[in-house]
Amino acid sequence: SSELTQDPAVSVALGQTVRITCQGDSLRKYYASWYQQKPGQAPVLVIYGKDYRPSGIPDRFSGSISGNTASLTITGAQAEDEADYYCNSRDTSGDHLEVFGTGTKVTVL
Amino acid sequence: QVQLQESGPGLVKPSQTLSLTCTVSGGSISSGNHYWSWIRQPAGKGLEWIGRIYSSGSTNYNPSLKSRVTISIDTSKNQFSLKLGSVTAADTAVYYCARGALYFPTVYFDSWGQGTLVTVSS
Repeated sequence: SSELTQDPAVSVALGQTVRITCQGDSLRKYYASWYQQKPGQAPVLVIYGKDYRPSGIPDRFSGSISGNTASLTITGAQAEDEADYYCNSRDTSGDHLEVFGTGTKVTVL
Repeated sequence: QVQLQESGPGLVKPSQTLSLTCTVSGGSISSGNHYWSWIRQPAGKGLEWIGRIYSSGSTNYNPSLKSRVTISIDTSKNQFSLKLGSVTAADTAVYYCARGALYFPTVYFDSWGQGTLVTVSS
């Protein structure tokens, strides 16, 4: 399968916790990485591998995997977390091609 | 911290070839566990992976674009390039270059260019 499916939109109250999911067969073989994209800006890597954060990414961002579903959790969402979030992995073809999820718009209320 | 910068025409006529270059600074384009990709995003839509190239010159492309895409690398200039032929309005998008990393089973894009808008119009 070459698809990674995400919910189109989720909302979260300020300070609360939100989980964004990414589903696809390839996630049984490769970990997902997660990107935050704000309007007019390039995507920024926020989570990769089992649950690693690049330098400068707040520890309220965390990742997990269960079967064919990867999750990005924001614990204690802040106003600045409002953005689009994309997952990324590789597909299950012989060439292991890159694939992005459909994206989730996170609104912080 | 590696930095990437896209450059190229912002306007391309239909049926012509879109050409972009990504210049890598702050690190070598020949580094072992990294590879180099082009990714695009039409206005209001999601990210679409176009293709990737390794420092060896080996390439892989999105099957939906494969017949029209060529990605090349110039290690002496620390640059890689994208050519997309026979463009139509559907190819209008912000084009990003990015550095990928593979430490199986972990893959990720850890550095991105700022993106460049390419409009296909006569």
